Amino acid sequence: AQSVAQPEDQVNVAEGNPLTVKCTYSVSGNPYLFWYVQYPNRGLQFLLKYITGDNLVKGSYGFEAEFNKSQTSFHLKKPSALVSDSALYFCAVRDSNYGQNFVFGPGTRLSVLP
Amino acid sequence: KAGVTQTPRYLIKTRGQQVTLSCSPISGHRSVSWYQQTPGQGLQFLFEYFSETQRNKGNFPGRFSGRQFSNSRSEMNVSTLELGDSALYLCASSPYLGSGSSYNEQFFGPGTRLTVL
Repeated sequence: AQSVAQPEDQVNVAEGNPLTVKCTYSVSGNPYLFWYVQYPNRGLQFLLKYITGDNLVKGSYGFEAEFNKSQTSFHLKKPSALVSDSALYFCAVRDSNYGQNFVFGPGTRLSVLP
Repeated sequence: KAGVTQTPRYLIKTRGQQVTLSCSPISGHRSVSWYQQTPGQGLQFLFEYFSETQRNKGNFPGRFSGRQFSNSRSEMNVSTLELGDSALYLCASSPYLGSGSSYNEQFFGPGTRLTVL
């Protein structure tokens, strides 16, 4: 069975500081990994994905994520946080085995303080 | 390209009633998924459709059903509403091509906020 964990409900960071939002996963096959962001009263917006290849993936709005197979992790990072980055972040996984659906983590609320 | 649209955006129903929610995917996308989002349970997968066929189903009771039309538009129906069905229902479309597993990201609509009184 697939599963995703986001160990932190809330992450607080000062504007201009680097941020990390953590994600670990479990799948039986190879993982397809995704990060999404949700602003209040909005749907989810895609940030980036890892399918194969380079372990460091760059995405929208200056975000990047590092795939670590041995630690089954896919942490989201940004070198310098902005107040406008404050939102709810979801990690998702889809097993490469045919027929598997997306599984989302519980979400991490990021607050960037001015 | 227009994004995923969902109608209605807000809905208030009473227990025991039924409701139908609609989703129009991005033009050219043939895969549509539905999710229920609540503060306590997070994002829960309901079902996924591709070319009018249900490809996957989540762990929800039979009161939750869906379908997809030949133009890829999708509807979901909830019968005999319960208070616990109050949630944001999200639809997502994907350019899945129908062969093998999909590594394509999903594009989400703004959701339908359902309140059951």
